Amino acid sequence: DAEITQSPRHKITETGRQVTLACHQTWNHNNMFWYRQDLGHGLRLIHYSYGVQDTNKGEVSDGYSVSRSNTEDLPLTLESAASSQTSVYFCASSLGGADTQYFGPGTRLTVL
Amino acid sequence: QKEVEQNSGPLSVPEGAIASLNCTYSDRGSQSFFWYRQYSGKSPELIMSIYSNGDKEDGRFTAQLNKASQYVSLLIRDSQPSDSATYLCAASGGGADGLTFGKGTHLIIQP
Repeated sequence: DAEITQSPRHKITETGRQVTLACHQTWNHNNMFWYRQDLGHGLRLIHYSYGVQDTNKGEVSDGYSVSRSNTEDLPLTLESAASSQTSVYFCASSLGGADTQYFGPGTRLTVL
Repeated sequence: QKEVEQNSGPLSVPEGAIASLNCTYSDRGSQSFFWYRQYSGKSPELIMSIYSNGDKEDGRFTAQLNKASQYVSLLIRDSQPSDSATYLCAASGGGADGLTFGKGTHLIIQP
């Protein structure tokens, strides 16, 4: 069955370290998205991609970057982790622009 | 800035009753609307999508859309304790630019 996976599921890191969160989907979807979820803020869009070599900034992109070298993967990098980036991160994908987005299981990141 | 507003709750409903969840959105250009259910510690899962004005029914769930009033609702009939979760309303502008989510309504079904 097609699915979307994220790794690691839990991560603890220190302030200033570079961290990369992986997202892999086997739906063959063109569009992929990264969100963060925090109490009091709900889900907020970080970055998104329409396809290979395409990336775009979302609402809360500062301090994050993504790259899309193939259809299946959209890794999210925190260049220099900050305590404010402690959150739960969800990756999602969709076939078309207005189509349903399917979410991965999430990564809980703690920055100490 | 695009916004989606929901009452955070908690909304408490007796088992077997109808649960009514509401959402308003600010962007008149929004074309697609989604209701996701999220259990504590889990990822959002799609319950319903709706694109046209009116009602859309799927089993115990009915989504309602009124674009003139910029209003979306979700009705859950014959509520079950397993329906207890946070329900997220989301809107899309039609492009592949992600969804704008509300903060969610915490629904509690009382046995």
